[in-house]
Amino acid sequence: DQQVKQNSPSLSVQEGRISILNCDYTNSMFDYFLWYKKYPAEGPTFLISISSIKDKNEDGRFTVFLNKSAKHLSLHIVPSQPGDSAVYFCAFDAGNMLTFGGGTRLMVKP
Amino acid sequence: DTGVSQDPRHKITKRGQNVTFRCDPISEHNRLYWYRQTLGQGPEFLTYFQNEAQLEKSRLLSDRFSAERPKGSFSTLEIQRTEQGDSAMYLCASSLVGTSANTEAFFGQGTRLTVV
Repeated sequence: DQQVKQNSPSLSVQEGRISILNCDYTNSMFDYFLWYKKYPAEGPTFLISISSIKDKNEDGRFTVFLNKSAKHLSLHIVPSQPGDSAVYFCAFDAGNMLTFGGGTRLMVKP
Repeated sequence: DTGVSQDPRHKITKRGQNVTFRCDPISEHNRLYWYRQTLGQGPEFLTYFQNEAQLEKSRLLSDRFSAERPKGSFSTLEIQRTEQGDSAMYLCASSLVGTSANTEAFFGQGTRLTVV
């Protein structure tokens, strides 16, 4: 029973363009959502979060959008840079733990 | 560096052997988590501690797995009688949980276990 799904296992984007990573969830009780980035052989690194009382949160090149009615979360990276190439995980805070999606591998080509 | 540290970074063991991993969280963090990640999957929750108390365990945590956080600081995760299916990256994370809103967890670099 996957509560969080990232349906695109990979995404390839040209440097300077927008990267859009998507995440769907099933439990409408979730109230805090996060995005983590992971490089090979490293642990996940926190990127940005959003509370369910908001529909958008922005931090530099990174913007997270939350559509509660659609139970959909997205991460926009503008402009994309080669250093953004990594695996991105969405997660929700279930109160006592984080539950993660399966990840999307982003490749930003120079 | 004051982040979460894990030791060892890599461990290769023979099936049936016991292994123990250590995690040192960020010093002021009161909550410590263990996750497991296999190839192509997101991290899966195993267990967490609030200070020294182990408050929740996933059904993924079979009776061959045991975790401790004896003084509310570092934690150990032991796997007894390892099986090939235990091969994975074991991730430790910590966070400071209090009366304020949700806070993010900070992860260590993980211990990659290979059971041969």
